[in-house]
Amino acid sequence: AQRVTQPEKLLSVFKGAPVELKCNYSYSGSPELFWYVQYSRQRLQLLLRHISRESIKGFTADLNKGETSFHLKKPFAQEEDSAMYYCALSPDFNKFYFGSGTKLNVKP
Amino acid sequence: GAVVSQHPSWVICKSGTSVKIECRSLDFQATTMFWYRQFPKQSLMLMATSNEGSKATYEQGVEKDKFLINHASLTLSTLTVTSAHPEDSSFYICSARKNTDTQYFGPGTRLTVL
Repeated sequence: AQRVTQPEKLLSVFKGAPVELKCNYSYSGSPELFWYVQYSRQRLQLLLRHISRESIKGFTADLNKGETSFHLKKPFAQEEDSAMYYCALSPDFNKFYFGSGTKLNVKP
Repeated sequence: GAVVSQHPSWVICKSGTSVKIECRSLDFQATTMFWYRQFPKQSLMLMATSNEGSKATYEQGVEKDKFLINHASLTLSTLTVTSAHPEDSSFYICSARKNTDTQYFGPGTRLTVL
């Protein structure tokens, strides 16, 4: 069965510090991986997806099939990055499975 | 573009009544809509996938007779919680898929069953 694990419920960093939000998954095939973000009082929105290999708002995520990980990274965190981040897996774009989320708090 | 709305944003009902939640894609046609449930401080749990004009596909453990999903048009899907009970109280979120891999989320509906 598919499973997405985000081990950290809360991650606090200072502005300008690097940040890495961890995501590990278990799935027998080759799923697509996504990161979604939810800013305070806003709806969930797509941040980036593995398939497009893009960098959004300075964030990148590399799929490591050997370690079954899809960690989200940013070299210099900004206060406006404070939000809830969810890693998600989709076997076929018809189902999406979310991790429990990590709350990122960027301190001034 | 790609705005998804939900109505109502919150609802309180008595135990035993049924509640209908609407999910609309306002500026695009959505061939697929997804319904999620989120408990406090927990992740989104996929309940069902809804395709326009066909029956919804429910995830394991989700009662299809309890959570009725109708996707009558390319811009509207409804979730009806039938004979609601306090344990059905939760945050229900829909999303609509515009193309093959991008889903856009609604703001969610807070359901409280007394």
